[in-house]
Amino acid sequence: GENVGLHLPTLSVQEGDNSIINCAYSNSASDYFIWYKQESGKGPQFIIDIRSNMDKRQGQRVTVLLNKTVKHLSLQIAATQPGDSAVYFCAEALQAGTALIFGKGTTLSVSS
Amino acid sequence: KAGVTQTPRYLIKTRGQQVTLSCSPISGHRSVSWYQQTPGQGLQFLFEYFSETQRNKGNFPGRFSGRQFSNSRSEMNVSTLELGDSALYLCASSPSGGGTEAFFGQGTRLTVV
Repeated sequence: GENVGLHLPTLSVQEGDNSIINCAYSNSASDYFIWYKQESGKGPQFIIDIRSNMDKRQGQRVTVLLNKTVKHLSLQIAATQPGDSAVYFCAEALQAGTALIFGKGTTLSVSS
Repeated sequence: KAGVTQTPRYLIKTRGQQVTLSCSPISGHRSVSWYQQTPGQGLQFLFEYFSETQRNKGNFPGRFSGRQFSNSRSEMNVSTLELGDSALYLCASSPSGGGTEAFFGQGTRLTVV
């Protein structure tokens, strides 16, 4: 259930696997990064954020990793569940109070 | 605490018409941002309002405009609608800035025929 290094538009995993979704961001000056989950028919839902002075942040079953050297962001989901099936977007902002720039989404499909 | 509310959920308009969409942010949030989501272009930033002032603007034509009221509620307007304006329009609110913990509404699905 890993997708390391390259952004892929889709990712299929088995229930219980760990998932890794990757994102390459565009601006080395960006200070703030967010992951969103979007289910069909709904708006994006905030998952976790991280500032540029950190390289890792953990939430409930999720971890975000930031590699500023290669401008890479990843979202790790532990013990993936069918309810995690959705489109996942990363977003960056130059600083708080500025616009979010969204990456291409990754569709995560979880089969049980 | 109520989330971000967008109305209406669905709209069908004819080319050349104009449309107004509404967004009520989370209570206490002063920043409202608008985004357009299409299959081809993804999520694109339109503009952000903070304390009734437009603070940031994306790269959209002047047909797209917005405003924010003293109670932080926001409206966006699109004039002279084109077929390509068909999209999901999303509003996000945050306590102080568009880039910090922005919470999205469910969006307004606009179809231009």
